[in-house]
Amino acid sequence: KDQVFQPSTVASSEGAVVEIFCNHSVSNAYNFFWYLHFPGCAPRLLVKGSKPSQQGRYNMTYERFSSSLLILQVREADAAVYYCACLRDTGFQKLVFGTGTRLLVSP
Amino acid sequence: GAGVSQSPSNKVTEKGKDVELRCDPISGHTALYWYRQRLGQGLEFLIYFQGNSAPDKSGLPSDRFSAERTGESVSTLTIQRTQQEDSAVYLCASTGGGNSYEQYFGPGTRLTVT
Repeated sequence: KDQVFQPSTVASSEGAVVEIFCNHSVSNAYNFFWYLHFPGCAPRLLVKGSKPSQQGRYNMTYERFSSSLLILQVREADAAVYYCACLRDTGFQKLVFGTGTRLLVSP
Repeated sequence: GAGVSQSPSNKVTEKGKDVELRCDPISGHTALYWYRQRLGQGLEFLIYFQGNSAPDKSGLPSDRFSAERTGESVSTLTIQRTQQEDSAVYLCASTGGGNSYEQYFGPGTRLTVT
């Protein structure tokens, strides 16, 4: 079954580096996508790809079946839900989302 | 348009009524997805349209749910005989295809069934 797994909650302190881990069982999936979602707003793509990459404070690690999102110098304003998704690349290509990780940031 | 739009932004309906939710994707985007997000839960895939291909309906939770899309334009998600457990935020996303596959999300429709 095509599934993406990520922890339901991650807690951190301001200024730290936060890691949110994701792995999948999606057939023929080679690309990861990390989205940020503040409730009431549209989810926003942070970083994506099939290799390690960085966009500002957001780093993405890459392994064949897993990826981590690293948020550098985390702030209280980063508290939100982070979604990992994989692109199933078999004919009918489709993004398969995880259930989201709620990031808690303490001062 | 500048982005994906959805309407209405909020909908309150009585149990048993039918509702229609609308999504206007980014012009030219070939793929369109509908998701549901219940309170405190993650994104739940509902249905996926890709061009003129038959849609992937594997995520629709029951036969009370249906969606239509004409070509590469507007999509409507219809929920018949709404139940309280249908209360959620319904999100729409579109993708331009090619090698990007980045999904651009709309702001969602918050549905409350009383």
